[in-house]
Amino acid sequence: EADIYQTPRYLVIGTGKKITLECSQTMGHDKMYWYQQDPGMELHLIHYSYGVNSTEKGDLSSESTVSRIRTEHFPLTLESARPSHTSQYLCATPHGTGNQPQHFGDGTRLSIL
Amino acid sequence: AQSVTQPDIHITVSEGASLELRCNYSYGATPYLFWYVQSPGQGLQLLLKYFSGDTLVQGIKGFEAEFKRSQSSFNLRKPSVHWSDAAEYFCAVGGAGGTSYGKLTFGQGTILTVHP
Repeated sequence: EADIYQTPRYLVIGTGKKITLECSQTMGHDKMYWYQQDPGMELHLIHYSYGVNSTEKGDLSSESTVSRIRTEHFPLTLESARPSHTSQYLCATPHGTGNQPQHFGDGTRLSIL
Repeated sequence: AQSVTQPDIHITVSEGASLELRCNYSYGATPYLFWYVQSPGQGLQLLLKYFSGDTLVQGIKGFEAEFKRSQSSFNLRKPSVHWSDAAEYFCAVGGAGGTSYGKLTFGQGTILTVHP
């Protein structure tokens, strides 16, 4: 089992603030993913990483950025938050190598006022 | 490009009744298919997966799903629903290679309501 931790679980913050959502995993997996989920909607891949210093944009365009300096951490940053960024952000990592099922963190619910 | 369609946005069943949630996918090769469940305010929990082999797969919590290549479907079933099954269910297809490798595309989800 992959243990994935996301912090904070909930964040309410004003427009224009810089935000970093944390995601960490304890299993040493190379692949990590960020999904965005608007209320009542499907998940959309916004960023992924196949290892340290590897980051790629996903299928849904996002103003957020990510970094992968260490294997266990995959933080997501919004330089200047806007109300349109209000959403749930879910981090995931596969189980094992290859195209294995992805295990998800509990998510961060972000509300921008 | 891969895609997933869940035709039913909301389904209501009585406790003890059988359940079938529909999922249709589009993918150019043999797909990797998944069903997840999400309770309010929570992340996703994997119910079951299909990679290859037996087309009827068993998952956790008494769920099963059947892969039908001819119909491009991967419907989720449960013979007797419990009130605790009320949640949102997502079907997903994973890429087996190329630029899709390791990524999942999700359907829009089906909300399940269970009446006592």
